[in-house]
Amino acid sequence: ETGVTQTPRHLVMGMTNKKSLKCEQHLGHNAMYWYKQSAKKPLELMFVYSLEERVENNSVPSRFSPECPNSSHLFLHLHTLQPEDSALYLCASSQDVAREQFFGPGTRLTVL
Amino acid sequence: AQTVTQSQPEMSVQEAETVTLSCTYDTSESDYYLFWYKQPPSRQMILVIRQEAYKQQNATENRFSVNFQKAAKSFSLKISDSQLGDAAMYFCAYRSPYGGGATNKLIFGTGTLLAVQP
Repeated sequence: ETGVTQTPRHLVMGMTNKKSLKCEQHLGHNAMYWYKQSAKKPLELMFVYSLEERVENNSVPSRFSPECPNSSHLFLHLHTLQPEDSALYLCASSQDVAREQFFGPGTRLTVL
Repeated sequence: AQTVTQSQPEMSVQEAETVTLSCTYDTSESDYYLFWYKQPPSRQMILVIRQEAYKQQNATENRFSVNFQKAAKSFSLKISDSQLGDAAMYFCAYRSPYGGGATNKLIFGTGTLLAVQP
């Protein structure tokens, strides 16, 4: 379980706050992903980074801003979120975009 | 667009018994990958088993096996000799093999919550 780590594990924020989620992978992978997991809905892919370049933005609102400074780290910057953004945010990585993905434990986000 | 359907929101099995979780999918592609992921409570999602569509042989991993019916677009997971540690949310997922970026994203079902009774 230490291959992909995410911090914080839990986050409560108000709608006017700015916060960031962090993901780090220790597997030497080149691709990283952000997913949103809401109750009773399929996991939704938000962003894909390959070799630190964003290769997909899956129609995600601009209040979510990803950043990939290097192949080991991925951030999700949050600002002016809505209560419906409350969910489990999962990070994943893969050797490249064609290989299987390994998931982190997720950040449980609650927006008040 | 591809879709994945898991019609069983919850399942229950007695310890040491066998349970089958169902998954159907829709695609026009002839080659693709199918996966079952396990997400235990408050723990991270891990890959249980994968199946390449071009392989006729059903994948197996210890107590986990799949029944892959390509024509029917069905991909069920069988867990034999169920253990308490098998209790988790199980997700079926589909992935196209071609290209990069968007075409390689995992498409997930809504999950099946499996309870294991002692």
